[in-house]
Amino acid sequence: EDKVVQSPLSLVVHEGDTVTLNCSYEVTNFRSLLWYKQEKKAPTFLFMLTSSGIEKKSGRLSSILDKKELSSILNITATQTGDSAIYLCAVCNAGGTSYGKLTFGQGTILTVHP
Amino acid sequence: EAGVTQSPTHLIKTRGQQATLRCSPISGHTSVYWYQQALGLGLQFLLWYDEGEERNRGNFPPRFSGRQFPNYSSELNVNALELEDSALYLCASSLVVNTEAFFGQGTRLTVV
Repeated sequence: EDKVVQSPLSLVVHEGDTVTLNCSYEVTNFRSLLWYKQEKKAPTFLFMLTSSGIEKKSGRLSSILDKKELSSILNITATQTGDSAIYLCAVCNAGGTSYGKLTFGQGTILTVHP
Repeated sequence: EAGVTQSPTHLIKTRGQQATLRCSPISGHTSVYWYQQALGLGLQFLLWYDEGEERNRGNFPPRFSGRQFPNYSSELNVNALELEDSALYLCASSLVVNTEAFFGQGTRLTVV
């Protein structure tokens, strides 16, 4: 069964700090890894990383996929209070009984204090 | 462009009743997914519909069912509600399977 583990489970920082969130996975037939930000209800899509796109960047957020280590990191530089949220990592399986579903990690709760 | 929309926002039911949750995907998206997010737990995959057919389901009992209509909107039905069914139910859609999935705001189901 596919598995995703995120660390740390929670993180408290001050505005301006840089944070690194980790995600490791076990999947039988890897297709992609996705990062989401969940503030109140709807997870908001951040990045999708695949074998052909292992690094993505958008503003202060960036993410790297390490297919050898079966892991990914999400970096947030110069954090702001608006970055406070749950960050979710999910993997997508290319086939088999897990086809079409995303397997999510438990999330990292990030709190940014002013 | 409108995102994924879900209704109702909140739903309160008593144990044993049935609940119906609705989802409209982003225009042009044919794949619709349902997830359950119970308090303290991560998102658990429930169902995936594509082109009107159920393509995959997660480890949930048969009383969780649904369908996808010709306009690609979808309905999730939960029969014989149990207290443990209280959760946030999230719907997502994607252009095709295994591409970026975008989520709706969810339906908060409370079973009393």
